[in-house]
Amino acid sequence: ILNVEQSPQSLHVQEGDSTNFTCSFPSSNFYALHWYRWETAKSPEALFVMTLNGDEKKKGRISATLNTKEGYSYLYIKGSQPEDSATYLCAPGGGTSYGKLTFGQGTILTVHP
Amino acid sequence: DSGVTQTPKHLITATGQRVTLRCSPRSGDLSVYWYQQSLDQGLQFLIQYYNGEERAKGNILERFSAQQFPDLHSELNLSSLELGDSALYFCASSVGDRGTNEKLFFGSGTQLSVL
Repeated sequence: ILNVEQSPQSLHVQEGDSTNFTCSFPSSNFYALHWYRWETAKSPEALFVMTLNGDEKKKGRISATLNTKEGYSYLYIKGSQPEDSATYLCAPGGGTSYGKLTFGQGTILTVHP
Repeated sequence: DSGVTQTPKHLITATGQRVTLRCSPRSGDLSVYWYQQSLDQGLQFLIQYYNGEERAKGNILERFSAQQFPDLHSELNLSSLELGDSALYFCASSVGDRGTNEKLFFGSGTQLSVL
């Protein structure tokens, strides 16, 4: 089982601010890293799946980077909007783990108008 | 809407009882995953089925069992329920068997309350 840590636990920003948070995981036996957005009263929604060191993915104002050698990923949100308020989960998966993703506790983002 | 259907949405039962949670994956997805979200815990992987066969197992209790049927829907059976089993149970699906490198699509969850 891969241990994963996300920081910060929670974050409050003003509308229009850019923000970022971190996901740390053991670099050994790494296979892929997932990011999910989980809005209150909804189900987790996939943002990105990254597998290669140096990978960068972008979806609108949200982007993510991956460093598999040092075991971390950053998620960036540019120009935060109130609708970005959610819990952001990362989940690394090991090479032999098939569907066994290990989810972090998440970063709770609140964007104030 | 992810296309993954879970029923029921809410379930209230008593200790010692047995319940069945049901999940229908997205059309075309062959894998079904079950996750448990308890208070103060992250999403915990329970088990994965791919095309009817068990593919990966997490920290699933012996009191819990699952199966995937020929029509690809899955059921999670929880027996001899304890207070600590109260949680939000999610089902997710994906196309292939390698959930680690493909996106998972989550259902809306079943909130289980054991009284």
